[in-house]
Amino acid sequence: KAGVTQTPRYLIKTRGQQVTLSCSPISGHRSVSWYQQTPGQGLQFLFEYFSETQRNKGNFPGRFSGRQFSNSRSEMNVSTLELGDSALYLCASRIGTGGNSPLHFGNGTRLTVT
Amino acid sequence: GNSVTQMEGPVTLSEEAFLTINCTYTATGYPSLFWYVQYPGEGLQLLLKATKADDKGSNKGFEATYRKETTSFHLEKGSVQVSDSAVYFCALGLFGNEKLTFGTGTRLTIIP
Repeated sequence: KAGVTQTPRYLIKTRGQQVTLSCSPISGHRSVSWYQQTPGQGLQFLFEYFSETQRNKGNFPGRFSGRQFSNSRSEMNVSTLELGDSALYLCASRIGTGGNSPLHFGNGTRLTVT
Repeated sequence: GNSVTQMEGPVTLSEEAFLTINCTYTATGYPSLFWYVQYPGEGLQLLLKATKADDKGSNKGFEATYRKETTSFHLEKGSVQVSDSAVYFCALGLFGNEKLTFGTGTRLTIIP
């Protein structure tokens, strides 16, 4: 069974630009979550989608948005990029719902903003 | 609020040494507890989990026991290998809340 797939693996963008990251969950997993990982802040929750609905959102500005498609694939978008948005963005899927079900992570997209 | 506290790293051990990485938590309710491992250039991999008090999770020689009385979930391995070098994250999840709360991670380096 294929794991969580994230594309692209690496991105370099300039301040002020926008970016879209893509995530394909494990087959059969309907819940997709996004996390930002930085050396200073660690792993921070961005948002979670289930059946195309955002059910939970972390404490990030409105520049960060996401969506989920009917096939459970998800995208996240960051507009008006800032230097501080440089991070590893991790997508994760789970088969069940609720925090007691483990997340399965992709290898991430490393975004560098210059 | 919910939080996870891990022992500060980095931790450096010799091959075949005994490993303990401490993890304590604060949670409203009865959390499930997880250990994840992150190898360089990769995402997080689930290492083991425990869903209720006194459960022991185990995988690849690693073990952790869910201790409700001490709110702890310490990771142990009897004999580490160079290939165990990675960053280890303790995390908690609560039913009805889709977010996992992670500790800050502990970088482990094993020297031959």
